[in-house]
Amino acid sequence: NAGVTQTPKFQVLKTGQSMTLQCAQDMNHEYMSWYRQDPGMGLRLIHYSVGAGITDQGEVPNGYNVSRSTTEDFPLRLLSAAPSQTSVYFCASSYGRGSYNEQFFGPGTRLTVL
Amino acid sequence: AQSVTQLGSHVSVSEGALVLLRCNYSSSVPPYLFWYVQYPNQGLQLLLKYTSAATLVKGINGFEAEFKKSETSFHLTKPSAHMSDAAEYFCAVRHSGGSNYKLTFGKGTLLTVNP
Repeated sequence: NAGVTQTPKFQVLKTGQSMTLQCAQDMNHEYMSWYRQDPGMGLRLIHYSVGAGITDQGEVPNGYNVSRSTTEDFPLRLLSAAPSQTSVYFCASSYGRGSYNEQFFGPGTRLTVL
Repeated sequence: AQSVTQLGSHVSVSEGALVLLRCNYSSSVPPYLFWYVQYPNQGLQLLLKYTSAATLVKGINGFEAEFKKSETSFHLTKPSAHMSDAAEYFCAVRHSGGSNYKLTFGKGTLLTVNP
């Protein structure tokens, strides 16, 4: 199993540009989520999905869009990049509802918006 | 609402010394708690999790954590630090009810191990 994969690893954008961060998992997990990590802030939930066709907003959803057409993929779209979106983005997945379900994390995408 | 507070954003220890990373939780229901580790330029990896089966939880790499309800704490310890333990550590709490697949993370504690 490859686990959770993310592409690209690094990305530099100019303000106003759009792009899609890719996330895929091969563990047949129901639940997938996107977090951003900023210094001193821990991880904050952006959007999440409890299954194909079902998505919802997390703690910091503004400026981001998601969709989940398949179980495996959960792309994150930046509609119009802003410097405040400079961050490290992590995708995670787990088996779904349940107290003990471990979330598996991808290696992250480091995004810089100029 | 569930939340966690990690006391100390940076902890520095000498190699061979005790590691103690503090986490306090706030939860209106019995909590489910996790510790994750993040090595430089990598994603997060689960160290251990509290599932209410035992108050002392053993994890990978010699780490353990003790759940203390009276103190609302879930501190992470390791008897003897190794250079390879240098990383950032995150405490997390699972949400309750219909959102029980969501986690809220603390702000993290960066562990430095000095030779």
